[in-house]
Amino acid sequence: GIQVEQSPPDLILQEGANSTLRCNFSDSVNNLQWFHQNPWGQLINLFYIPSGTKQNGRLSATTVATERYSLLYISSSQTTDSGVYFCAVVPLMDTGKLIFGQGTTLQVKP
Amino acid sequence: DTGVSQDPRHKITKRGQNVTFRCDPISEHNRLYWYRQTLGQGPEFLTYFQNEAQLEKSRLLSDRFSAERPKGSFSTLEIQRTEQGDSAMYLCASSHLGYNEQFFGPGTRLTVL
Repeated sequence: GIQVEQSPPDLILQEGANSTLRCNFSDSVNNLQWFHQNPWGQLINLFYIPSGTKQNGRLSATTVATERYSLLYISSSQTTDSGVYFCAVVPLMDTGKLIFGQGTTLQVKP
Repeated sequence: DTGVSQDPRHKITKRGQNVTFRCDPISEHNRLYWYRQTLGQGPEFLTYFQNEAQLEKSRLLSDRFSAERPKGSFSTLEIQRTEQGDSAMYLCASSHLGYNEQFFGPGTRLTVL
């Protein structure tokens, strides 16, 4: 089956710094989503981005489907950005279930 | 649009007991998914429904697990004869169609003693 790899696995930043999280996937996809998991476990939707570039405030994402990767940019990080970031894909020709990466754990220090 | 809701949020049970979780999807979403997440891992797919039909089950879903979506609205996930290895966060998600954006509920955290 498809493999979804996220890097780095852990990231520590000072407040105000910028960061880039990467998601590589091993096969073509129909759907790609980025999530932030809060300390209570809820997955918060950040982007639905099977291809192209989107921006939402301090966050932006780019997916290059032909090269099988996606990037999540966080600018001017805040302590509230801390948590686990997941990339998840729906493989091409699959039924719709999301396949998740292992996540990137981000800690933003004040 | 009130989002996906799940009940209960936490469940502690003794090994061998049966438990049932409920998920209410976003209204008019015809797809409903169940995922399971263990500590330090990403969520893993368990099963999904399109309207009331259960169309796919993961091999992770042993015979002790059963899910229903009787009227194509809310869904229940039952685990019979719980084992300590069932301890996890159980997440529900819904979407309009198969390839559309999925939205997750807050999850039910199960602890089996």
